[in-house]
Amino acid sequence: QVQLVESGGGVVRPGGSLRLSCTASGFIFSDYDMHWVRQAPGKGLEWVAFIKFDGKNEDYADSVKGRFTISRDRSKSTLYLQLSSLRVEDTAVYYCAKAQRPLRAPGGFDPWGQGTLVTVSS
Amino acid sequence: EIVMTQSPVTLSVSPGERATLSCRASQSVSSNLAWYQQKPGQSPRLLIYGASTRATGIPARFSGSGSGTEFTLTISSVQSEDFAVYYCQQCNKWPPMYTFGQGTKLEIK
Repeated sequence: QVQLVESGGGVVRPGGSLRLSCTASGFIFSDYDMHWVRQAPGKGLEWVAFIKFDGKNEDYADSVKGRFTISRDRSKSTLYLQLSSLRVEDTAVYYCAKAQRPLRAPGGFDPWGQGTLVTVSS
Repeated sequence: EIVMTQSPVTLSVSPGERATLSCRASQSVSSNLAWYQQKPGQSPRLLIYGASTRATGIPARFSGSGSGTEFTLTISSVQSEDFAVYYCQQCNKWPPMYTFGQGTKLEIK
């Protein structure tokens, strides 16, 4: 079955960096757009970043633009999020999510990984 | 940037009752609207996409409607397992800004 497993979360000081990974299985990774979504403690969902199925386009929420970088490795079926210049307000559970349908067909995010917690604190 | 606004913030219903949740977009998103359910300690689950199509395995008591800027998620007869937080999301393909609403908490009355 389709599975997404995030890793790489942890505690980091303000201004620091971290790289999150999301290992995918059970589907043709190179056919699907992928996303990162975060959720601060006790708060709602915030879309963070998108990368097109072929890796040729990406986009970011304004709150992370210029600080975070999304990428993907087709050979490893793995999605990444490089977090830099971290701020206290970046503290959240970070989820990776697969586009529901392949090759940019309309739809939502399905499924989601279990999430990895990033804590930014001095 | 498209802003998604959900109402009410909290909805209290008794099991067996009908629940109606609303979502408004600050500009038209056509039918590019999804709904998710999130229970405490769990990842979100896709319920509805394309404003009105149920995702695989979603019970028929969940239905979505609307287009443009006004959308509704209806649970025809709320079951105990439905008490959760519900989010709407606009899914425009380009620019790919997939904004979420702030959520509606469905609680037991």
